[in-house]
Amino acid sequence: GEDVEQSLFLSVREGDSSVINCTYTDSSSTYLYWYKQEPGAGLQLLTYIFSNMDMKQDQRLTVLLNKKDKHLSLRIADTQTGDSAIYFCAENYGGSQGNLIFGKGTKLSVKP
Amino acid sequence: EPEVTQTPSHQVTQMGQEVILRCVPISNHLYFYWYRQILGQKVEFLVSFYNNEISEKSEIFDDQFSVERPDGSNFTLKIRSTKLEDSAMYFCASGSRGRGYTFGSGTRLTVV
Repeated sequence: GEDVEQSLFLSVREGDSSVINCTYTDSSSTYLYWYKQEPGAGLQLLTYIFSNMDMKQDQRLTVLLNKKDKHLSLRIADTQTGDSAIYFCAENYGGSQGNLIFGKGTKLSVKP
Repeated sequence: EPEVTQTPSHQVTQMGQEVILRCVPISNHLYFYWYRQILGQKVEFLVSFYNNEISEKSEIFDDQFSVERPDGSNFTLKIRSTKLEDSAMYFCASGSRGRGYTFGSGTRLTVV
């Protein structure tokens, strides 16, 4: 079945860049998403990218999409302690308003 | 910024009891969803709802589950006879075509 894979943990120092990687399997996905979940909280949409784009930048966030390799990454520049959270990659299965398939999430720890 | 509101934030229920989880989606959104996240596991799709009917559901969404949009603002998930394995965080989400989905902060359901 369709799947989204992410590494489970990432640890960086404050001020460094963080890169969270994700691979997905559904080639018909039209959108790919990054969500952030802080402890005990809901899922906050950080950014999304349309599948015909290869890059999207939004302030400190840069999303890179390699559609051929079905690889998505999220780069957070100048990582802060407030960025510590779990980051979920998701694809919309079947395109358009299809349901979202989530990865297991990458726990980002930012050390001062 | 518009929000998806879920109530209650935490519900404890006895096995076999019925529960109703409530959501108020963003007012101009047309697509509505329920997802769940069992502790330590992936966020999983349950059901999508569009134009007053279920448009898609997963294998998890069996006859014990139902959804309803009883008026113009609420969107509910009912679990008829709860089981221990229904304990999870339940997220409501809403979306409009071509945009990211906005999630609520979730209802933590504990079945005892």
